[in-house]
Amino acid sequence: AQSVAQPEDQVNVAEGNPLTVKCTYSVSGNPYLFWYVQYPNRGLQFLLKYITGDNLVKGSYGFEAEFNKSQTSFHLKKPSALVSDSALYFCAVRAAYNTDKLIFGTGTRLQVFP
Amino acid sequence: DAGVIQSPRHEVTEMGQEVTLRCKPISGHDYLFWYRQTMMRGLELLIYFNNNVPIDDSGMPEDRFSAKMPNASFSTLKIQPSEPRDSAVYFCASSFPTGTGELFFGEGSRLTVL
Repeated sequence: AQSVAQPEDQVNVAEGNPLTVKCTYSVSGNPYLFWYVQYPNRGLQFLLKYITGDNLVKGSYGFEAEFNKSQTSFHLKKPSALVSDSALYFCAVRAAYNTDKLIFGTGTRLQVFP
Repeated sequence: DAGVIQSPRHEVTEMGQEVTLRCKPISGHDYLFWYRQTMMRGLELLIYFNNNVPIDDSGMPEDRFSAKMPNASFSTLKIQPSEPRDSAVYFCASSFPTGTGELFFGEGSRLTVL
């Protein structure tokens, strides 16, 4: 069965520093991987996805993610964190071929300090 | 487009009462998903529809939960009778029929069962 794991419940980073939010995956077949962000009292918003092609995927708000097949990882990154990036981040994997059903990780809370 | 619209945003009810949550997906989206979010269990997929037809309801907790999609622009999630453990934020999401996994979430309905 398809699954993703987010090993960190919380990540703390100072504003202006680079940030990384980790995600590892377990899939059969080609992985379709996603990152979503949830701001307080809001629904989830799509950030970026990896389907095929370049291992470095660029998304919204300056975020990018690196797909690493050998390490089965899909870490979310940003070169310079902003206080406004503080939110809950979810990694997700498509559950099966030709479906939009996603399986989400447990989420990582990112706290960016001024 | 106004996005995915959910109502009510907040619902407080007493144990044993019937609860109905409503969702209007984005026009043209063929997939509709109901998710539940709690601190303990994270984000869980309850059920999803494709072209108004339920495709996978394996996440519905028990017979007290039911979901319908009578037409392309409206869906309901009903809990009868409600229990305190049903307290959660319920999200509706919709997507284009592309299989790319880009879901558009509503703002959620926060349910509290006393």
